[in-house]
Amino acid sequence: AQSVTQLDSHVSVSEGTPVLLRCNYSSSYSPSLFWYVQHPNKGLQLLLKYTSAATLVKGINGFEAEFKKSETSFHLTKPSAHMSDAAEYFCVVTRGDFNKFYFGSGTKLNVKP
Amino acid sequence: DVKVTQSSRYLVKRTGEKVFLECVQDMDHENMFWYRQDPGLGLRLIYFSYDVKMKEKGDIPEGYSVSREKKERFSLILESASTNQTSMYLCASSRPYEQYFGPGTRLTVT
Repeated sequence: AQSVTQLDSHVSVSEGTPVLLRCNYSSSYSPSLFWYVQHPNKGLQLLLKYTSAATLVKGINGFEAEFKKSETSFHLTKPSAHMSDAAEYFCVVTRGDFNKFYFGSGTKLNVKP
Repeated sequence: DVKVTQSSRYLVKRTGEKVFLECVQDMDHENMFWYRQDPGLGLRLIYFSYDVKMKEKGDIPEGYSVSREKKERFSLILESASTNQTSMYLCASSRPYEQYFGPGTRLTVT
């Protein structure tokens, strides 16, 4: 079975400071993992994806995530937060056939000036 | 660019009405999905379809049905809307390694 746990429902950082959004997963298969972002009143946009290639994945807008199999984690990081990063972020796992995607409950990122 | 469109951005319906939510994708994807999004619960899968006329129940199919008569179109049907179906509904289509989402339909049932 697949599942995703996002460890923080809300994260607040100051502009210019690092961002860390935590995600742990469980999967019976070799997983593919994703991070999506949703800005207020917008649809979901793919930030980055891990598909069994390099374990450090770079995405759009300066975000990156590292797949750590031993820790079953896929945390999202960014060195320096920008006001435009304020949004809700979802960690997602899928099994190999991509017929089902399992979403975490989301982390709302607040960026303070 | 892949485009997934949903028929309505906002919808208000009365309890007991039959409601149709339409989704169209333009990239010839075989897989299409309907989710509902509620605060604190993330996205929950209602139904997905892996081919025309083929469907599979997701995690919360009760009170919903779906129709896929053409590859590009996937419809979600609320047979008799209830107030607990007030939510944001998101449609998606996918190819391997990526899902593409529509903008969502915010449905209010009064």
